[in-house]
Amino acid sequence: GAVVSQHPSRVICKSGTSVKIECRSLDFQATTMFWYRQFPKQSLMLMATSNEGSKATYEQGVEKDKFLINHASLTLSTLTVTSAHPEDSSFYICSASPGGNYGYTFGSGTRLTVV
Amino acid sequence: GEDVEQSLFLSVREGDSSVINCTYTDSSSTYLYWYKQEPGAGLQLLTYIFSNMDMKQDQRLTVLLNKKDKHLSLRIADTQTGDSAIYFCAASPGANNLFFGTGTRLTVIP
Repeated sequence: GAVVSQHPSRVICKSGTSVKIECRSLDFQATTMFWYRQFPKQSLMLMATSNEGSKATYEQGVEKDKFLINHASLTLSTLTVTSAHPEDSSFYICSASPGGNYGYTFGSGTRLTVV
Repeated sequence: GEDVEQSLFLSVREGDSSVINCTYTDSSSTYLYWYKQEPGAGLQLLTYIFSNMDMKQDQRLTVLLNKKDKHLSLRIADTQTGDSAIYFCAASPGANNLFFGTGTRLTVIP
């Protein structure tokens, strides 16, 4: 149980275009989902906390107009990278928790390459 | 916020034990986790421990927690080449907060 599906796993886009990444909890409901970004050889950086039915909470230094988050249902959160630039190229990972003793389950990640 | 630290690299010979260490700063962290990341993949939860426990064993994995020193370790017995990966320590001081260490890259030498 506690499976999180993330799609797509890899995406290449041109500079200036937008890319949407989906994060789904397959067998549980998640009122909260988290979006992380991993820089090369570094740990995950929490970008934002996605809250179902309300605005996301962004971490300091993360541009909310650039990284649009929508959590329209209890099983789906989306991250849209708008007007992507090469420096946005990274590994983006979402996570959610069913609560209790399950800890956090992570999606398989999305490798974004902006050319 | 929480500051979680790990050493970046560890090399061990196949069959030996690996010990990956982690320190954290927030004594209110109630859950402490170990995750494994294989190349190109997301994080896989390996094990976790509650702050009121000193030790947890799960097959080849042993987690030790020294709450006084805020020190967490992960021991992998009989390390195999398939254990080569990056291991992340994470601490959770609250319901919606999870802080990761930088990750330790474990290399298993055949």
